[in-house]
Amino acid sequence: AQSVSQHNHHVILSEAASLELGCNYSYGGTVNLFWYVQYPGQHLQLLLKYFSGDPLVKGIKGFEAEFIKSKFSFNLRKPSVQWSDTAEYFCAVNAYGGSQGNLIFGKGTKLSVKP
Amino acid sequence: DTEVTQTPKHLVMGMTNKKSLKCEQHMGHRAMYWYKQKAKKPPELMFVYSYEKLSINESVPSRFSPECPNSSLLNLHLHALQPEDSALYLCASSQDASWRNEQFFGPGTRLTVL
Repeated sequence: AQSVSQHNHHVILSEAASLELGCNYSYGGTVNLFWYVQYPGQHLQLLLKYFSGDPLVKGIKGFEAEFIKSKFSFNLRKPSVQWSDTAEYFCAVNAYGGSQGNLIFGKGTKLSVKP
Repeated sequence: DTEVTQTPKHLVMGMTNKKSLKCEQHMGHRAMYWYKQKAKKPPELMFVYSYEKLSINESVPSRFSPECPNSSLLNLHLHALQPEDSALYLCASSQDASWRNEQFFGPGTRLTVL
């Protein structure tokens, strides 16, 4: 069965620090990969997605992620975080051959940015 | 319009009540989803509708009954719920139920069962 692992449960950073959140998935075939963000009290929003092509994907709000197929990883990065980036971040995968439209989510990483 | 809307935002119900959650999208999407999200947990898929037909039911108890009256609307009928059913219920839609499509999420309905 497909699964998604997010290594960090809670990350605490100061403003202007660099961010990297880890995400690994278990599936040997073709995948689509997503990072969603959930700000406090708000709905899930898509940060970025990878379907094919350039493995370095740029998303909204200065976030980017790199797909490394050999490592089954899709880590999220931001060079300089802001207090407003405080949120829960979910990595998700949808695999070719998987259940129709079934996004598999990781357990999430809570990011707290100190002003 | 790139929004998925859900009503109500909050719902408190007793275990003997019958209530419904509503979801609407006007993006022309032909797949709609219900997810359940407990606190500090990721969303878990409950149901998938594809072209207004139920295509996936992830072993959800029958006290949850989905309905898709048309391509823009998705309902979740609730009856005889348990306190452990308290959660955030998320609706999502995508162009179709293909694995290649991103899903757009609504703000959710926060349900409390007393």
